[in-house]
Amino acid sequence: ETGVTQTPRHLVMGMTNKKSLKCEQHLGHNAMYWYKQSAKKPLELMFVYSLEERVENNSVPSRFSPECPNSSHLFLHLHTLQPEDSALYLCASSQDKANEQFFGPGTRLTVL
Amino acid sequence: GENVEQHPSTLSVQEGDSAVIKCTYSDSASNYFPWYKQELGKRPQLIIDIRSNVGEKKDQRIAVTLNKTAKHFSLHITETQPEDSAVYFCAASKRDMRFGAGTRLTVKP
Repeated sequence: ETGVTQTPRHLVMGMTNKKSLKCEQHLGHNAMYWYKQSAKKPLELMFVYSLEERVENNSVPSRFSPECPNSSHLFLHLHTLQPEDSALYLCASSQDKANEQFFGPGTRLTVL
Repeated sequence: GENVEQHPSTLSVQEGDSAVIKCTYSDSASNYFPWYKQELGKRPQLIIDIRSNVGEKKDQRIAVTLNKTAKHFSLHITETQPEDSAVYFCAASKRDMRFGAGTRLTVKP
């Protein structure tokens, strides 16, 4: 157990659904990340939060909406997704953005 | 920003042989270089890292070397075993961490 948890572990949703992914870190870190991992683009950085402020948004479509209510929690709100959004979504945290990142187990998302 | 390139994308070796994975980075100010291993169906986990004030670091069968002048660093695995089969990611950071595209290593028994 690395101290970073994600729920749900698996999610199947239709293109018209709205769902949320949750990440929680118990390591006292001040930076959190969302990555998309698919066969085509391994470890594609989506969003970075530092001290609860979004500091990076890598041209991610607006159908993905992150939320960081406090330094321990990170959400990814999903709506009107496309089948090509099916992937493993990994959350990570670190103490400052330049240091070792600890990953959660990921959410395997399938969009029908 | 930082750009990290990793080669090869796939690598197959016979059990007992050595494996070498290479990465280059673009930002000469980067000073932290971790390597992650991701086994099938599992999360990436740190296996070894090196900082820019060190040229080489070793931990049992794995070692990392850093050439700051050439801006490249490498992962070396000796006496490979089937359980070394995984995807390996390099990364480089100064203010932000950037990952390479990964190398799928297969160790054949």
